[in-house]
Amino acid sequence: DVKVTQSSRYLVKRTGEKVFLECVQDMDHENMFWYRQDPGLGLRLIYFSYDVKMKEKGDIPEGYSVSREKKERFSLILESASTNQTSMYLCASSPSGAVGNQPQHFGDGTRLSIL
Amino acid sequence: GQNIDQPTEMTATEGAIVQINCTYQTSGFNGLFWYQQHAGEAPTFLSYNVLDGLEEKGRFSSFLSRSKGYSYLLLKELQMKDSASYLCAGRSNYQLIWGAGTKLIIKP
Repeated sequence: DVKVTQSSRYLVKRTGEKVFLECVQDMDHENMFWYRQDPGLGLRLIYFSYDVKMKEKGDIPEGYSVSREKKERFSLILESASTNQTSMYLCASSPSGAVGNQPQHFGDGTRLSIL
Repeated sequence: GQNIDQPTEMTATEGAIVQINCTYQTSGFNGLFWYQQHAGEAPTFLSYNVLDGLEEKGRFSSFLSRSKGYSYLLLKELQMKDSASYLCAGRSNYQLIWGAGTKLIIKP
């Protein structure tokens, strides 16, 4: 089974801090994704990557950046955390091919609170 | 614009059948996913419909009508462990448009 592991389940940070969320997958998937999940809203794509060092902006990239130096690892960075970035963050991966062509496999999520 | 709608919450009884609907307005639509998400856990893949019709997988079935912009997930012989949120996502022009999810509450 595909395993997508997110480094933290819960995280509390302060406004203005630089925050790193890490995600690792063990199935050699080319595509990796970062979403945020807020009550009453569908999953919103922040960034995705289809290969090492490649990245594409999603629907809400403002205030975020990403890094993919190795195929199995995709990091989400909040450059200067703000309270409106308090949310559940989900990482996902899928095999190569067009986005949405195959099911995505999700990690358990990181619940991030910015105080 | 692109939009996916599904009911916010539904309640059903253990052992019964429930149908969760999902309607979409998207351009370039070419498939619809259903995922299950238990509270505090990762969404897990249930089904993917590309063509019209019903696809059955054990107690769960998923239906798609492209002409009507409509899909449903049918859960039979409900069990308490089916209490979860069910997310639909439409594939459109190489991106996924996600619904907000339907929280399904199962009562004994």
